[in-house]
Amino acid sequence: SAVISQKPSRDICQRGTSLTIQCQVDSQVTMMFWYRQQPGQSLTLIATANQGSEATYESGFVIDKFPISRPNLTFSTLTVSNMSPEDSSIYLCSVVGATYEQYFGPGTRLTVT
Amino acid sequence: AQTVTQSQPEMSVQEAETVTLSCTYDTSESDYYLFWYKQPPSRQMILVIRQEAYKQQNATENRFSVNFQKAAKSFSLKISDSQLGDAAMYFCAYTPPAGGTSYGKLTFGQGTILTVHP
Repeated sequence: SAVISQKPSRDICQRGTSLTIQCQVDSQVTMMFWYRQQPGQSLTLIATANQGSEATYESGFVIDKFPISRPNLTFSTLTVSNMSPEDSSIYLCSVVGATYEQYFGPGTRLTVT
Repeated sequence: AQTVTQSQPEMSVQEAETVTLSCTYDTSESDYYLFWYKQPPSRQMILVIRQEAYKQQNATENRFSVNFQKAAKSFSLKISDSQLGDAAMYFCAYTPPAGGTSYGKLTFGQGTILTVHP
């Protein structure tokens, strides 16, 4: 299994600003994933972050809004840019285990006012 | 594209009783993996149980078991001897095997809120 930490655990931000969320894994992994969970909803994949290459974004998500960095095999950041109240969500990072299950970080609860 | 459907937005069960949560999915793949995740109010996603599509035997983890019907594309979760700590949102999820562009990506159902009454 993998132990994943995220910072911050929660934040309240003003519209128009940006927030960078950090994800740290206790072991080296090739792929990291970022998900969004809007209030009362399920999880939706934002993008896949591979070390040494550009992140791959899912339909409906763009790099200008959600830039991702992956500087090494244990760390990634997701930035939520030019925030609006519609960006209020829980953001979670995850990694794939040896038997295809995914391990998730504790999530970052973002509120945009 | 793969889809996962949970048709029960909410379910409730008495403590010590048994409850079954439903999940159906759609895929053209023959090999894939299915999961049930639990999300308590702490919002931490916790893996409950996993099932490989190539295995006919239903997975079991203590009080949790699945009824996997591959032909019907059905994957239900049975919780036996329900406990107060089982109260949470439960998500069914699908992922394809390695080798494709979607490797590692989870597709989630809408979730089922489980309430456990003492």
